[in-house]
Amino acid sequence: DQQVKQNSPSLSVQEGRISILNCDYTNSMFDYFLWYKKYPAEGPTFLISISSIKDKNEDGRFTVFLNKSAKHLSLHIVPSQPGDSAVYFCAASRGSNYKLTFGKGTLLTVNP
Amino acid sequence: NAGVTQTPKFRVLKTGQSMTLLCAQDMNHEYMYWYRQDPGMGLRLIHYSVGEGTTAKGEVPDGYNVSRLKKQNFLLGLESAAPSQTSVYFCASSWTGYEQYFGPGTRLTVT
Repeated sequence: DQQVKQNSPSLSVQEGRISILNCDYTNSMFDYFLWYKKYPAEGPTFLISISSIKDKNEDGRFTVFLNKSAKHLSLHIVPSQPGDSAVYFCAASRGSNYKLTFGKGTLLTVNP
Repeated sequence: NAGVTQTPKFRVLKTGQSMTLLCAQDMNHEYMYWYRQDPGMGLRLIHYSVGEGTTAKGEVPDGYNVSRLKKQNFLLGLESAAPSQTSVYFCASSWTGYEQYFGPGTRLTVT
């Protein structure tokens, strides 16, 4: 049972445009959500997070939106840059159980 | 600070052999984790630890054992390797359990 779903395995965007990566979850007990970015042959790195008490969090070019009623979150990257090309993982956590549940990832390619 | 380091970076095992993967962190984090990443499967939690001397099972613990004798180290053992354990293994550590810092990974092939 996949509790965190990233239904788009890949996304291709032109440099300077907006990239929108989507994530859906099924467990209504999740209350903290994160995005990680992974380059080939490296470990994932934390990008941005959002608590369930908020519906938006911004950090520079990156914004995460949370729609609790739809159990959906999205990561917006504006403007997209070629260096943003990577696999993006959505992750969710429930309460203080110290664990993350990851989605399968979306490969973002930003074309110059 | 080195952050999270993993040893070795690559390893090839024959079926039935055993090995230990070492993870070390220098950030004084309480929480440590072992994940495996397989194509199309994302990151799956194998085992984790919420402090020195503690371990707990994650999503896919079968065939693996772990130990956390020192706060800074988290060892992952394969007692009898199987081809299904061919994967990339990532260790992570965290202050809170949320924002986790990952190591560079160990690529393991079992033939």
